Amino acid sequence: NAGVTQTPKFQVLKTGQSMTLQCAQDMNHNSMYWYRQDPGMGLRLIYYSASEGTTDKGEVPNGYNVSRLNKREFSLRLESAAPSQTSVYFCASSEISLRQETQYFGPGTRLLVL
Amino acid sequence: SQQGEEDPQALSIQEGENATMNCSYKTSINNLQWYRQNSGRGLVHLILIRSNEREKHSGRLRVTLDTSKKSSSLLITASRAADTASYFCATRRGGSYIPTFGRGTSLIVHP
Repeated sequence: NAGVTQTPKFQVLKTGQSMTLQCAQDMNHNSMYWYRQDPGMGLRLIYYSASEGTTDKGEVPNGYNVSRLNKREFSLRLESAAPSQTSVYFCASSEISLRQETQYFGPGTRLLVL
Repeated sequence: SQQGEEDPQALSIQEGENATMNCSYKTSINNLQWYRQNSGRGLVHLILIRSNEREKHSGRLRVTLDTSKKSSSLLITASRAADTASYFCATRRGGSYIPTFGRGTSLIVHP
């Protein structure tokens, strides 16, 4: 039971390059999330997916796209990377019910855009 | 925008001492959660307290919630060097199932 996994762990991009961050969970959760974490800013929600087949914008969606490939996988794409997207990206999943609201986080992807 | 704000931003104590950190929020909530983040890792859930609860315990953790003051506190008793981490509160408002995270308190416990 791996929980939430993310790939890659580290990535360096040049401005204008594109890349996709991968996330997968094996807990059969309906909901998945992408956050970015910057120093002094806490976690900010980029996009989320309440269930398979749905995605919605969070607080900071500009410059990103997402795909909920199936129940397990939720990817984040940067079409044209900018230095302002240098950050640590976390994927999370959860099962929302009356008894359970905990989010489970992946280990993060550290992205540097030059 | 941050719903919850932790205080202090940084806390440095000796092993064996108690650590208290606070979270204040702006609008009414359904519940409040505390998470821990070790350096270079993802967040790990510690405890959830619902709006109709005033206090919860989990091992060396004690969480209180005062909805009239819109604040919560996390107390770690008899701290250990392994408690060194950042601690975040996350609040969930009615009508949304998505928690909003604060900026965190960085705790250093010196052995």
